[in-house]
Amino acid sequence: NAGVTQTPKFQVLKTGQSMTLQCAQDMNHNSMYWYRQDPGMGLRLIYYSASEGTTDKGEVPNGYNVSRLNKREFSLRLESAAPSQTSVYFCASRSTGPPPQHFGDGTRLSIL
Amino acid sequence: DQQVKQNSPSLSVQEGRISILNCDYTNSMFDYFLWYKKYPAEGPTFLISISSIKDKNEDGRFTVFLNKSAKHLSLHIVPSQPGDSAVYFCAGNSGGSNYKLTFGKGTLLTVNP
Repeated sequence: NAGVTQTPKFQVLKTGQSMTLQCAQDMNHNSMYWYRQDPGMGLRLIYYSASEGTTDKGEVPNGYNVSRLNKREFSLRLESAAPSQTSVYFCASRSTGPPPQHFGDGTRLSIL
Repeated sequence: DQQVKQNSPSLSVQEGRISILNCDYTNSMFDYFLWYKKYPAEGPTFLISISSIKDKNEDGRFTVFLNKSAKHLSLHIVPSQPGDSAVYFCAGNSGGSNYKLTFGKGTLLTVNP
């Protein structure tokens, strides 16, 4: 049982390049989330999808787009990467009802 | 505006003793609180949660206490084990049924053998 799988695990980009981070969950969860974690900081919500076909902004959505491709997959796209987007990105999913959210192991993204 | 504050960046405890991790919040609309544990190079792992209508929840060695009047919650780990060494994040739910979590900055717990 893989849970939440994120690809790639590591990526280095140049400023201005585009990139899509992939996330898939095999727990039949309805809701999916994208967070970023910067050094010495907690996780901050970028976008979330309450159910298939819906997406909504979180705390720090600027510079990102998302696609809820189907119930399993939720991707995060950086159209024109900036050094300020260097971070560790976590995807999470949740079934209906109260938490918890289940997290993937993250994508470590460096933008030069 | 930091809605969830973990004021202790680190805590060191001897194996077998109690670990107490603290968390303060400012958002009165939080209706659910969670604690996550995170090891390096891994994603956060859910530990324990508590609804805002309760003041205590216990799961094995882990107990979370909520003091709504003080806007304070704490996680007690008894007895502490070296494997508990990790970063612990406190989070509050501000998104109603969407469960959008607001996280604190985390506390690094080190349990010494």
